[in-house]
This record gives sequence, C-alpha cells and structure tokens, in this order.
Amino acid sequence: SAVISQKPSRDICQRGTSLTIQCQVDSQVTMMFWYRQQPGQSLTLIATANQGSEATYESGFVIDKFPISRPNLTFSTLTVSNMSPEDSSIYLCSVVTVLDIQYFGAGTRLSVL
Amino acid sequence: AQRVTQPEKLLSVFKGAPVELKCNYSYSGSPELFWYVQYSRQRLQLLLRHISRESIKGFTADLNKGETSFHLKKPFAQEEDSAMYYCALRPLPDSWGKFQFGAGTQVVVTP
Repeated sequence: SAVISQKPSRDICQRGTSLTIQCQVDSQVTMMFWYRQQPGQSLTLIATANQGSEATYESGFVIDKFPISRPNLTFSTLTVSNMSPEDSSIYLCSVVTVLDIQYFGAGTRLSVL
Repeated sequence: AQRVTQPEKLLSVFKGAPVELKCNYSYSGSPELFWYVQYSRQRLQLLLRHISRESIKGFTADLNKGETSFHLKKPFAQEEDSAMYYCALRPLPDSWGKFQFGAGTQVVVTP
C-alpha cells in the first residue's frame, strides 16, 4: 500500500491570495494526480503531476491558476493561485502504485472568503 | 468520452436488508470498473475492481458489458456500510489520467 500525507488538512484563505498544498507519499509510485471535489459533487481530475516536467492539465484547468510541481517520485505540490470563493473545495492528492492500485490522500479542505 | 452514472444520490436501507448501488457507464472501448468507498471522516479508498472478481466486506459487483453496468450488491447491509460510494471507470488501454468518477451514492443503513 501507499501512505499519503497531505498538508494542510484545511485552510481558510482570503480572496486574491494563493495556497500551496503538499503531497508526500511513503513509497515510489508510478503516477501522481490532483483532484478537486466541489461541495456536493464528485471528483474532478485537475492534472497529472509529471516528475521533472510540466504537469498535464485537464480541460478547464490551466497552469497559471493551478501550478503543480513534482521534483521527485514521492512529492508533489499544487498551488491554488489568486483565489476566489469559487475555489472553495476539497483538493485531493492521489497516487498509483507499481501494483496498479490508486490511493488517495485525506484531502485539503479549502475555504475562500 | 466516457461517462459514469450513479442514478441514486441517497440510498437508505435497514440493517439486514439487501442493498444494490447502481452504476452505468458509457465508453466505446473495454473499460476497467471500480468501486470506491469513503467512510465518515476517512479518505477515499478502493473497495472493488472488476478484474479482481473479489468479494470485499460482503460486497460484490459484476461487470455487465451488454447493459454497460457495474452494480454493487450486498445481501445483508450492516450499519458500518453507511458511507459514500463512488463508481469509477478507467478506459483501457488508456492511462489512469482519464479516470472518471460517478457522482456518488450516499448509503445510510439504519438499525
């Protein structure tokens, strides 16, 4: 299995500021992803975090708004930039292991005032 | 594009009664189907994947390609089964990057 540590677990932020969320996994994984889960909705994939290169973003998500880094196989960050109340959501880190099983972090609950 | 539909947002059952969570999908190829569960205050975790053909916590799910369904079933619901359940699809031979979740079904098991 893979144990994912995601920080912070929650935050309340002011409009216009940025928040960086960290994701650390305890073993080497093949893939890392970032998801968003808006209130009352399902999970939506934001991007695939690629090691040492630019992330691959899904339709509707752009690098300027959600810059992602993945400097090594076990760590990634997601930044939510220039936040607005519409960014209030749960942000989830997810990994896929070499056994082809997907695991999720506990999530970061973000509220933007 | 693929789509996963869970028609029931909320399913309320009595303890000991059978429970069935519906999941239908649309995808032109041969997908891999999953059920994920999220218990209260816990992280999302894998419950079942169709290729494993396992029974986990008494739950089973059969992929019906003709009906494009992957319904989750348990003959006797327990209170600890109360949780949010998500059906998900991974297109094959594509990658995890195209993983698609359904909207989820909240299951409440009452004594």
